[in-house]
Amino acid sequence: DTAVSQTPKYLVTQMGNDKSIKCEQNLGHDTMYWYKQDSKKFLKIMFSYNNKELIINETVPNRFSPKSPDKAHLNLHINSLELGDSAVYFCASSQALSGGRSSYEQYFGPGTRLTVT
Amino acid sequence: GIQVEQSPPDLILQEGANSTLRCNFSDSVNNLQWFHQNPWGQLINLFYIPSGTKQNGRLSATTVATERYSLLYISSSQTTDSGVYFCAVEEGAQKLVFGQGTRLTINP
Repeated sequence: DTAVSQTPKYLVTQMGNDKSIKCEQNLGHDTMYWYKQDSKKFLKIMFSYNNKELIINETVPNRFSPKSPDKAHLNLHINSLELGDSAVYFCASSQALSGGRSSYEQYFGPGTRLTVT
Repeated sequence: GIQVEQSPPDLILQEGANSTLRCNFSDSVNNLQWFHQNPWGQLINLFYIPSGTKQNGRLSATTVATERYSLLYISSSQTTDSGVYFCAVEEGAQKLVFGQGTRLTINP
């Protein structure tokens, strides 16, 4: 009965490859997010989707493309992987009120550790 | 954008000690959360506390929104409390900005 789940947990791949990370939440939340945690543990938002609509798109290279097939899923596809993409990627979800305000907690998945060699 | 600063960056304590972690933020916020990232990397929600005081067992948190800070108290520390504690505040709609974290080590 995991609330926010991600697959895979670990991903090791070579430079130049294309990979995807999947996220699913069973909390009935409207909003989902992708965060990146670098080697110094710094966490930064990358994207957020509300009801399948892109809300936040931080300054992320366009090699990163999120896809939300429905409001319970938010996948992250990364093209032409680079060494600097190595990090832990976290998916999260929350319930948004009308007007896009989130007054509730964000819940995080277990993370996907991506290593690019 | 909003700045979030946590202190201290590192804290080493003996089991049984009490600790206070601080989070300062540069602007008014509607959402503030405390997280614990355990040694396995999981981010665990501790408190959703945009204002006021909450308690959960040995942990409690206080946010004084008008003075732009929040405190996390851990009493009678246990080794399982080790990890990194993050404060995060909401900037605009649905965007959490994280502090750099406090790394807590509890020695037996």
